[in-house]
Amino acid sequence: EDKVVQSPLSLVVHEGDTVTLNCSYEVTNFRSLLWYKQEKKAPTFLFMLTSSGIEKKSGRLSSILDKKELFSILNITATQTGDSAIYLCALANNAGNMLTFGGGTRLMVKP
Amino acid sequence: DTAVSQTPKYLVTQMGNDKSIKCEQNLGHDTMYWYKQDSKKFLKIMFSYNNKELIINETVPNRFSPKSPDKAHLNLHINSLELGDSAVYFCASSRRQQLNEKLFFGSGTQLSVL
Repeated sequence: EDKVVQSPLSLVVHEGDTVTLNCSYEVTNFRSLLWYKQEKKAPTFLFMLTSSGIEKKSGRLSSILDKKELFSILNITATQTGDSAIYLCALANNAGNMLTFGGGTRLMVKP
Repeated sequence: DTAVSQTPKYLVTQMGNDKSIKCEQNLGHDTMYWYKQDSKKFLKIMFSYNNKELIINETVPNRFSPKSPDKAHLNLHINSLELGDSAVYFCASSRRQQLNEKLFFGSGTQLSVL
C-alpha cells in the first residue's frame, strides 16, 4: 500500500550543510505532488508541484518533480537548526479531494 | 486568531471509553478533514466533509463517527476506544473540495488509549 515512499527515513546534518530529501511514488495519474514541513505539531505547506522539470524555490528551499522517473526532491541549502522537522511528501489525486502522504523524513540540523 | 483549532490537545483514556475531539475553522472554508498520524508518522485521511456532507470515508471502523453541525465545525466521536486508536488526529480544512492541496492543519490531538 506504500504508494508514496520517502527517503531517507531520518537524517542528521550540521548547520550549513545542504540536504536532499527524496520522494518516490507509484501512481502515474495524479493532480499534484506536495511537500509539507511538520515541526512540533501541524504540517505546514511548502510547495505544490504539478509540472515535471520546473523547479519551485522559496529562499533556501527548492523542489522539483520528475514525472518520468516518478520522484520528487526537496533541497535545503545552508541548513539552519530551524530546519529541523519532519518533511512530508503527498500526492493529490486527480479529483483533488484526497492526499496520500509518505512516511516523512526526519531532519535534524545540529549547530 | 487560530485558523483551525482542535480540542483537546491531549487525551488519555482507558480502553472501551467513548471520547470526542472537536474542530473548528474560522477561514470560511467549505471542506474539512480528519487525518490520523500513526507512530510511524504516516498521515492518512479518515474523513472529508464538504459543506456538511460526507465526501470521503476511508475504510475507517464505524466506531469513528464524524459530525458536522455546520461547515465551520467537524467533530470526531470515537466509541469503544481500542489500543490501536492511539495516534495523533489532525483536523484540516481547504477552501473547497478540489483544493485540498492547500490544506490548513490544526495542531493535532494526541490520543493515548491505555
